[in-house]
Amino acid sequence: ETGVTQTPRHLVMGMTNKKSLKCEQHLGHNAMYWYKQSAKKPLELMFVYNFKEQTENNSVPSRFSPECPNSSHLFLHLHTLQPEDSALYLCASSPGQGGSGELFFGEGSRLTVL
Amino acid sequence: GENVEQHPSTLSVQEGDSAVIKCTYSDSASNYFPWYKQELGKRPQLIIDIRSNVGEKKDQRIAVTLNKTAKHFSLHITETQPEDSAVYFCAASTNNNDMRFGAGTRLTVKP
Repeated sequence: ETGVTQTPRHLVMGMTNKKSLKCEQHLGHNAMYWYKQSAKKPLELMFVYNFKEQTENNSVPSRFSPECPNSSHLFLHLHTLQPEDSALYLCASSPGQGGSGELFFGEGSRLTVL
Repeated sequence: GENVEQHPSTLSVQEGDSAVIKCTYSDSASNYFPWYKQELGKRPQLIIDIRSNVGEKKDQRIAVTLNKTAKHFSLHITETQPEDSAVYFCAASTNNNDMRFGAGTRLTVKP
């Protein structure tokens, strides 16, 4: 148990559905991340939140909408996705203070878009 | 933004041999360089890291070297074992919590 929990672990959705991925960390960290892991682009940074403020949006399409209500929770809202969005979505957290530090990953949410 | 290149993409070694994976980065502001190991179906986990004020770091069979001038860093695994088989990712980060990863190296250690 690394202290980073993601739900659901598996999700299948149609292109017109709306769904959300949830991430929760119990490590007292202040920075949270979404990464996309696919065969074509392993571990691609999507979003970074530091003290609940979004500090990085790596040119992610608007059909992915992140939400960080507090330092312990991070969501990724999904709407009108494409089949090429099928991937493993990994949440991570880090201390966030003083800059760079080790990332602690969740188990990931395996998304399939039909 | 930061761009991290990693080579080779696949590496096969005999048990007991050494394995070396190399990475380059582009952003001179990067100051933290971790290496992650991801076993099949599992999350990436940190195995060793190095900061820009250090040139080399060792932890048992694993070592990392950093050349800031050339902007490259390497992972060295000695006396490889079958359980070392996994995908290894290098990464680079500045003080802005913007860690970016290389494309990964699939290491296979043959018994």
